[in-house]
Amino acid sequence: ATRMTQSPSSLSASTGDRVTITCRASQDISTYLAWYQQKPGKAPNLLIYGASTLQSGVPSRFSGTGSGTDFTLTISFLQSEDFATYYCHQYYTYPRTFGQGTKLEIK
Amino acid sequence: ETQLVESGGGLVKPGGSLRLSCAASGFTFTIASMTWVRQAPGKGLEWVGRIKSNTDGGTTEYAAPVKGRFTFSRDDSKNTVYLEMNSLTTEDTAVYYCARGDNWYYWGQGALVTVSS
Repeated sequence: ATRMTQSPSSLSASTGDRVTITCRASQDISTYLAWYQQKPGKAPNLLIYGASTLQSGVPSRFSGTGSGTDFTLTISFLQSEDFATYYCHQYYTYPRTFGQGTKLEIK
Repeated sequence: ETQLVESGGGLVKPGGSLRLSCAASGFTFTIASMTWVRQAPGKGLEWVGRIKSNTDGGTTEYAAPVKGRFTFSRDDSKNTVYLEMNSLTTEDTAVYYCARGDNWYYWGQGALVTVSS
């Protein structure tokens, strides 16, 4: 199975900050990568697919880059509603796999 | 707009069985692949598997921990997908999400399954 490793596992930041979360795949997955945001007690919400395509309705402060094995999710100007847990997810091969999550907390 | 409503969750004893349903609306269900993902309490997301559309063969893929115990099915006349779970263990305790898609996902609200004696 393709292992997805996110870093950091947790991150403290302030509103207005720019933050970057990284995701590394254990094999080349091209750009078959998605990012999700999950708030406590809620279902995950799709942010980005194809490594860099913003899902409709997602604010433009979210952006994704990368291909192959290394990917990043950047939030350019943190808003209060962005404090949540973020997961990367590869859909290049079966079984599909997720990163372990990055919890973004208020500093 | 995609809407997915899971039902059928609850408390079951180890070794028991349970069937979850996921009712879909807001998209063309008959051509959609449907995926199940679970999340144990306080843990991350774990892919459980997927069922393709019947027009695409209705084929299934399962994660190793559930293969042989879990079965996906779908009823296109009811726009519903099912997850039949057998031989449940405490390790299967989780919120189970159904999701539209085989690649990136649009998610239901989830159903809690608790396996405990």
